Amino acid sequence: QQPVQSPQAVILREGEDAVINCSSSKALYSVHWYRQKHGEAPVFLMILLKGGEQKGHEKISASFNEKKQQSSLYLTASQLSYSGTYFCGTEIANQGGKLIFGQGTELSVKP
Amino acid sequence: DAGVIQSPRHEVTEMGQEVTLRCKPISGHNSLFWYRQTMMRGLELLIYFNNNVPIDDSGMPEDRFSAKMPNASFSTLKIQPSEPRDSAVYFCASSLRLSGSNEQFFGPGTRLTVL
Repeated sequence: QQPVQSPQAVILREGEDAVINCSSSKALYSVHWYRQKHGEAPVFLMILLKGGEQKGHEKISASFNEKKQQSSLYLTASQLSYSGTYFCGTEIANQGGKLIFGQGTELSVKP
Repeated sequence: DAGVIQSPRHEVTEMGQEVTLRCKPISGHNSLFWYRQTMMRGLELLIYFNNNVPIDDSGMPEDRFSAKMPNASFSTLKIQPSEPRDSAVYFCASSLRLSGSNEQFFGPGTRLTVL
């Protein structure tokens, strides 16, 4: 039931792009993306709803393929501040907002 | 505006002792979630409440764990007796459930060490 994230880890140079994928075996109502820096709490980035449009936040955007139950997070022109662990959280309809989180993707941006 | 408040931030205890973790959700939020995070198991949902009512506690590891939400502004997670394998960071999160919106705001977490 836990969604699968790929890759597990990625190292970038400042200014490079990255894509993080999240795949579920369940029919999804929504997909959430969070970023967690070391020693801190996860912070919400964006939510993708079934039937909704692609979301964007500065140079970070995401898409949701309902047919494949997959979501992708796109980070363009990465900055040092993008470093951290990215989690997708998947929500199934009629479960009261319950999220199941993937194992996380560790992103390191180097100067 | 205060976010989710958790206490204590750090707790070190000995095996067999009772541990109580506390959470104050964001005012006006109607859903509250307790998570546990470890390197091995990642971020696991333990239990969640909607309007102070426990909805799903299937993630609670065993009977040693219990959670309560006596009112909309306070929740506790209790472990009795504690064991070394309970060592983890415990997060509380809250959200305002509206149609199509379920953004969860996480507290700073409680780092629990059971010796």
